[in-house]
Amino acid sequence: AQSVTQPDIHITVSEGASLELRCNYSYGATPYLFWYVQSPGQGLQLLLKYFSGDTLVQGIKGFEAEFKRSQSSFNLRKPSVHWSDAAEYFCAVVLTSGTYKYIFGTGTRLKVLA
Amino acid sequence: NAGVTQTPKFQVLKTGQSMTLQCAQDMNHNSMYWYRQDPGMGLRLIYYSASEGTTDKGEVPNGYNVSRLNKREFSLRLESAAPSQTSVYFCASSYWTSGTYNEQFFGPGTRLTVL
Repeated sequence: AQSVTQPDIHITVSEGASLELRCNYSYGATPYLFWYVQSPGQGLQLLLKYFSGDTLVQGIKGFEAEFKRSQSSFNLRKPSVHWSDAAEYFCAVVLTSGTYKYIFGTGTRLKVLA
Repeated sequence: NAGVTQTPKFQVLKTGQSMTLQCAQDMNHNSMYWYRQDPGMGLRLIYYSASEGTTDKGEVPNGYNVSRLNKREFSLRLESAAPSQTSVYFCASSYWTSGTYNEQFFGPGTRLTVL
């Protein structure tokens, strides 16, 4: 069955430190992958997406993600975290089998220490 | 462009009451979705509509019904609310063409409490 796994429920980093959030997917076909961010009390906002081509994709707010087919991973990274990055982050895949359904991971909550 | 709008923002119901959550998008998207978000469980798909005139069940459809009123609007109805339906509900939309897929755009959410 198709699934998205975010192994880290909570992550705490110091402001200025680097960040990597993990995402693994299980899907037989070519995946279309997304990272979203959700600030408290808000809806989800797209950070970046991977459809094809270059496996390193750049997003908004200084985030980037790398698609690794061999590891079925799409990890999100940021070189230097800002206090405003504290939020919940969701990885998602869209099923390209014609159903137009999206599968989300359970999210990683990021806490940033001053 | 308002994007995806949802009404109401907050709602408190008593067990057994009914209500309809409204969602509208002004981006000419063809697919629309309803999710619920509960702590530690991410977003779970309730129902979706891949195109105007079609609706399909998602992961957790029991206790809900939907109507795709037109291309812009997609409503979610709770016929007899239960405490287990206390959650935050998100509507989303996206645009697809044959062989291409795009990101979803989300509304601000409706926080529902069932007593």
